[in-house]
Amino acid sequence: DAGVTQSPTHLIKTRGQQVTLRCSPKSGHDTVSWYQQALGQGPQFIFQYYEEEERQRGNFPDRFSGHQFPNYSSELNVNALLLGDSALYLCASSLVTGPPESLHFGNGTRLTVT
Amino acid sequence: AQSVSQHNHHVILSEAASLELGCNYSYGGTVNLFWYVQYPGQHLQLLLKYFSGDPLVKGIKGFEAEFIKSKFSFNLRKPSVQWSDTAEYFCAVNAIGSQGNLIFGKGTKLSVKP
Repeated sequence: DAGVTQSPTHLIKTRGQQVTLRCSPKSGHDTVSWYQQALGQGPQFIFQYYEEEERQRGNFPDRFSGHQFPNYSSELNVNALLLGDSALYLCASSLVTGPPESLHFGNGTRLTVT
Repeated sequence: AQSVSQHNHHVILSEAASLELGCNYSYGGTVNLFWYVQYPGQHLQLLLKYFSGDPLVKGIKGFEAEFIKSKFSFNLRKPSVQWSDTAEYFCAVNAIGSQGNLIFGKGTKLSVKP
């Protein structure tokens, strides 16, 4: 059991559409990070949320946005989908005061853009 | 910018063979170093980590890694692999104070033949 749950597990969208992915962090965790893992690549950091605010952001365009709710769950939104957005999207949760190894990953949402 | 290079894309070994997966990173400051493993159909799991101290660190399932600061390397080793070690292995680094913002390598797929 990963402890971090993501939904949906798979999603197919058309170019230009918008998508929302969801993540529930491991119990007790207060910070959520999102990663994009393209085929054959390692995960790439998108952004991190803590106290309902974006704390850090990787090199991703503004089409990628997020939100964190008071219960610490989080959403990743991608607008104007491109074929290149097809990837596995990983959510990871942690404690802001915890050690770096406290990062726990979910199983991911596989997004296919056609 | 920080980056992580993993030398091998796909490694095929027979059971009981020894394993060494290369990882080099580029970053001028102090970093935390990690190896993650992703078994087929499962989430990313922490294999081992290095923060400071003894440069030879031991992780789960008999894996170990050695941090060589002068070479910016953090190679993963296992004396004798098993079929159950078949997985994808990712090296990652994060700058001190950037918890949750990991820079991953592209990963090495390990296939162990029974």
